[in-house]
Amino acid sequence: DTAVSQTPKYLVTQMGNDKSIKCEQNLGHDTMYWYKQDSKKFLKIMFSYNNKELIINETVPNRFSPKSPDKAHLNLHINSLELGDSAVYFCASSLPRGEQYFGPGTRLTVT
Amino acid sequence: GNSVTQMEGPVTLSEEAFLTINCTYTATGYPSLFWYVQYPGEGLQLLLKATKADDKGSNKGFEATYRKETTSFHLEKGSVQVSDSAVYFCALSPITDSWGKLQFGAGTQVVVTP
Repeated sequence: DTAVSQTPKYLVTQMGNDKSIKCEQNLGHDTMYWYKQDSKKFLKIMFSYNNKELIINETVPNRFSPKSPDKAHLNLHINSLELGDSAVYFCASSLPRGEQYFGPGTRLTVT
Repeated sequence: GNSVTQMEGPVTLSEEAFLTINCTYTATGYPSLFWYVQYPGEGLQLLLKATKADDKGSNKGFEATYRKETTSFHLEKGSVQVSDSAVYFCALSPITDSWGKLQFGAGTQVVVTP
């Protein structure tokens, strides 16, 4: 009964490819997030959705496109992958202004 | 803008030692403050939080007090265990933000040796 799950856990791909990461939460939360953690462990928010509506869109290249088919799912699609996209991507969910619950992360390696 | 500054790691301690990780913040008004912990290979977990000045958050032997006068939220534990080895993140959620957007510090790695 995992609260926030992500697939895949590891993703190795070549520059220029397009890939997707999926996130699902079974907590009944309305708000979901994507964070990027770089090699120095620095965490930065990328996007947030509330009930399928985009509410936070930080300065992220257009190659990154989030999609929320329903409030329990938030996927991240990345076009034309670059070396600098290598990072760990975390999904999280919460009630509005509540505690955020994080998924286990997806380690993306672009070669 | 809002920011969080944490002491740099790694912090290396022996088991049963006292741990302090300093965290200071810059924000308008009274943000909510959090400590998250990331164990190796895992996602972040909320360790404790405080939502107003002088609040003390506590969990698993860890404590942090919201100090408005010094804009600080230092994390302390009296006697660490090897299982406390992890990266600890201080974070704030601005009072002006309706959606709980978190601003994280850079993280502090803690290594506890037997």
